[in-house]
Amino acid sequence: DAKTTQPTSMDCAEGRAANLPCNHSTISGNEYVYWYRQIHSQGPQYIIHGLKNNETNEMASLIITEDRKSSTLILPHATLRDTAVYYCIVRVETGANNLFFGTGTRLTVIP
Amino acid sequence: NAGVTQTPKFQVLKTGQSMTLQCAQDMNHEYMSWYRQDPGMGLRLIHYSVGAGITDQGEVPNGYNVSRSTTEDFPLRLLSAAPSQTSVYFCASSRDGMNYGYTFGSGTRLTVV
Repeated sequence: DAKTTQPTSMDCAEGRAANLPCNHSTISGNEYVYWYRQIHSQGPQYIIHGLKNNETNEMASLIITEDRKSSTLILPHATLRDTAVYYCIVRVETGANNLFFGTGTRLTVIP
Repeated sequence: NAGVTQTPKFQVLKTGQSMTLQCAQDMNHEYMSWYRQDPGMGLRLIHYSVGAGITDQGEVPNGYNVSRSTTEDFPLRLLSAAPSQTSVYFCASSRDGMNYGYTFGSGTRLTVV
């Protein structure tokens, strides 16, 4: 699985867009980019994933660069409830050895 | 539909005691796994299962045993608890192992004194 690099922490004003970057320069052609988040003391929650095209769902947007070496998770209108640790995970679509979480980015949404 | 249910939510053990952390899912998911999360760190995989009767080790399996006799249940056993096993434990399940499809339980906070 490709290694990912994320900033340790970020702040975002409530109502503004939160842009969370992730570097994955060693990503392979068949590896996807997944984003999960963990709100304090809860289990992780899936947000979005993509291979090479930009993706959008009701929670967020995922922008993947053309060379696929980095990506950005965008929360378009951050709320206080979006305060959480966000994990960027890069791996093949399915696998018996499950997900590998790093330390992620701690996003704090400020009123 | 309860999702992934973990019991107990909190537990304090003395060093050397044994216990079982329970995990049950009602979504008929084939894939189940156990993670531990230490303060300030990400989740680390302990054991996983791809179906009833099949289990395998993850990143940090030492000190833990698992079994998968039914699709619904995936208990995690600590045979002789150690202070190093103080952590928050999360169980997760997935229908088909697709990485976007994992549902996590709410966790068990274990303290070994």
